[in-house]
Amino acid sequence: KQEVTQIPAALSVPEGENLVLNCSFTDSAIYNLQWFRQDPGKGLTSLLLIQSSQREQTSGRLNASLDKSSGRSTLYIAASQPGDSATYLCAVRLTSYDKVIFGPGTSLSVIP
Amino acid sequence: SAVISQKPSRDICQRGTSLTIQCQVDSQVTMMFWYRQQPGQSLTLIATANQGSEATYESGFVIDKFPISRPNLTFSTLTVSNMSPEDSSIYLCSVEVAGDYEQYFGPGTRLTVT
Repeated sequence: KQEVTQIPAALSVPEGENLVLNCSFTDSAIYNLQWFRQDPGKGLTSLLLIQSSQREQTSGRLNASLDKSSGRSTLYIAASQPGDSATYLCAVRLTSYDKVIFGPGTSLSVIP
Repeated sequence: SAVISQKPSRDICQRGTSLTIQCQVDSQVTMMFWYRQQPGQSLTLIATANQGSEATYESGFVIDKFPISRPNLTFSTLTVSNMSPEDSSIYLCSVEVAGDYEQYFGPGTRLTVT
């Protein structure tokens, strides 16, 4: 059974700092992995989608990497801003027909 | 991509009543899903809404409690029946775009049951 974990559960950093969020999954035979952002009480915003054949994806100040063999993905946020404060969730799909399994999320607070 | 709207955005309901949540997508999509997010928790899939047939429910969720309709490729409803305080959650509609199998989410419906 696929399990997804995220470390740390919460993170507080000063503005301008670069940071890394971690996502681990137990079954390395995944189809894709997606990173989301969720603001309090709101829906999820898709940040980056990495297919199983890809090693990384970039969008602006965000870079997500994927290492299937070790069952890990990292989300790198450069030059953090207070507007980055939110919960970040990773989600893994085993095959194109499987449901997506979500991690518990990392709550990020960027202090001005 | 897909733009998803949900109604209502929030509601406060009394124990024993039912609430129907609507999900509208701006384009035709094959896959639509309903998720529940209890306070402080991650997302749990309730069911896959199938167009023209009965929804596919995950373990722990039943049709009598969470009836779902999917009359066409752009619209779905989720009803939370005979509510109890334990049903207080955010309910999220999600769709999947064919090709990359990327998921998109609606803004959610925050339900409080008193």
